[in-house]
Amino acid sequence: DAGVIQSPRHEVTEMGQEVTLRCKPISGHNSLFWYRQTMMRGLELLIYFNNNVPIDDSGMPEDRFSAKMPNASFSTLKIQPSEPRDSAVYFCASSFLRSGGYTFGSGTRLTVV
Amino acid sequence: DQQVKQNSPSLSVQEGRISILNCDYTNSMFDYFLWYKKYPAEGPTFLISISSIKDKNEDGRFTVFLNKSAKHLSLHIVPSQPGDSAVYFCAASGGNAGNMLTFGGGTRLMVKP
Repeated sequence: DAGVIQSPRHEVTEMGQEVTLRCKPISGHNSLFWYRQTMMRGLELLIYFNNNVPIDDSGMPEDRFSAKMPNASFSTLKIQPSEPRDSAVYFCASSFLRSGGYTFGSGTRLTVV
Repeated sequence: DQQVKQNSPSLSVQEGRISILNCDYTNSMFDYFLWYKKYPAEGPTFLISISSIKDKNEDGRFTVFLNKSAKHLSLHIVPSQPGDSAVYFCAASGGNAGNMLTFGGGTRLMVKP
């Protein structure tokens, strides 16, 4: 099992540009989570899907952020337009049962200049 | 409002000694608690968990203690090894949150040889 796969690993973009982060969860997992890690806030939940349906997007900071999960094996997080304060590491995680928690991807380090 | 807090951003311990990482929570509905370990440039990985029906869970060098009345949990690592140097996140779930995990801000552990 390749685990949770995120792409790209690193993204550097200019302010105002659109950024799309991608995630492939572990096959068979029915929950998918997008987190953002910053020095100030630690790991904060952005959005949570269950069976491909968004359940809780209260952590999405602004309308500039959107996430989709068109099928059980793929999700995207889009920022448009991007701003320097969006610079962070974005993690995707998937899970099936509560025991053992989530499996995280390696993250995408986003830098907006 | 941070529902899960790790008040110590960093901890330094000598190799062979005990490391104690602390975590406090405010939501009395939380009933499942986990610790994750994160190395640089990697996603967090699951370390150990505990259900609220227990007050202790042990796995090798790692033991998690839960004090429900104080809404406090701790992770003990004995003996500490240099390879344990990482950022440790505590997380909690339960109640209306269901499968969703709420993370603390993390504690950076440095184990000196």
